[in-house]
Amino acid sequence: GENVEQHPSTLSVQEGDSAVIKCTYSDSASNYFPWYKQELGKRPQLIIDIRSNVGEKKDQRIAVTLNKTAKHFSLHITETQPEDSAVYFCAASGRGSYIPTFGRGTSLIVHP
Amino acid sequence: SQTIHQWPATLVQPVGSPLSLECTVEGTSNPNLYWYRQAAGRGLQLLFYSVGIGQISSEVPQNLSASRPQDRQFILSSKKLLLSDSGFYLCAWSVPAPGLGNQPQHFGDGTRLSIL
Repeated sequence: GENVEQHPSTLSVQEGDSAVIKCTYSDSASNYFPWYKQELGKRPQLIIDIRSNVGEKKDQRIAVTLNKTAKHFSLHITETQPEDSAVYFCAASGRGSYIPTFGRGTSLIVHP
Repeated sequence: SQTIHQWPATLVQPVGSPLSLECTVEGTSNPNLYWYRQAAGRGLQLLFYSVGIGQISSEVPQNLSASRPQDRQFILSSKKLLLSDSGFYLCAWSVPAPGLGNQPQHFGDGTRLSIL
């Protein structure tokens, strides 16, 4: 089955800095890669996703890049703000599979 | 638009008591439904998923069970709770979209379960 590794487990940055979270996956058949943000005590919410037919996707201050050859994808947050502080989860799933495999999460702390 | 309702928000139960958590989805038909558990400061553990009424798949052996009596209703149950059942329980749904690729999951607000 699919295995998703997520690093780092904790990331501490100063407000205004950039943050990068990386995930690697094992199944070359995986073709859908969502990212979720979970604020303390709240539900995970989709913030961005990417499919295997594109290499990069942007939405304002966040972007996701995908390297299918190396089987890794990354979340990039620019100009971080204190409200970006949360746990971020990556996930991967293959065509026809409705069960995503989640990474263990990254706790992002943005210091004002 | 689609919405997901999950209740109760918080629950405190004694060891050995039964459990019933309910989740309903509005605004979509035949959704894929999921139950996750999240221990404090930990990741998402998939417990059950369902692709249709009466169709339940279990990911982890445990003293919990799930049922889907109606298309948009998903219930998580236990006959006797254990201390280890404490956690944050999340219901989620996704759109089955054959031919369109996988779709994101949408989570409910969760139930925080404490076992005493």
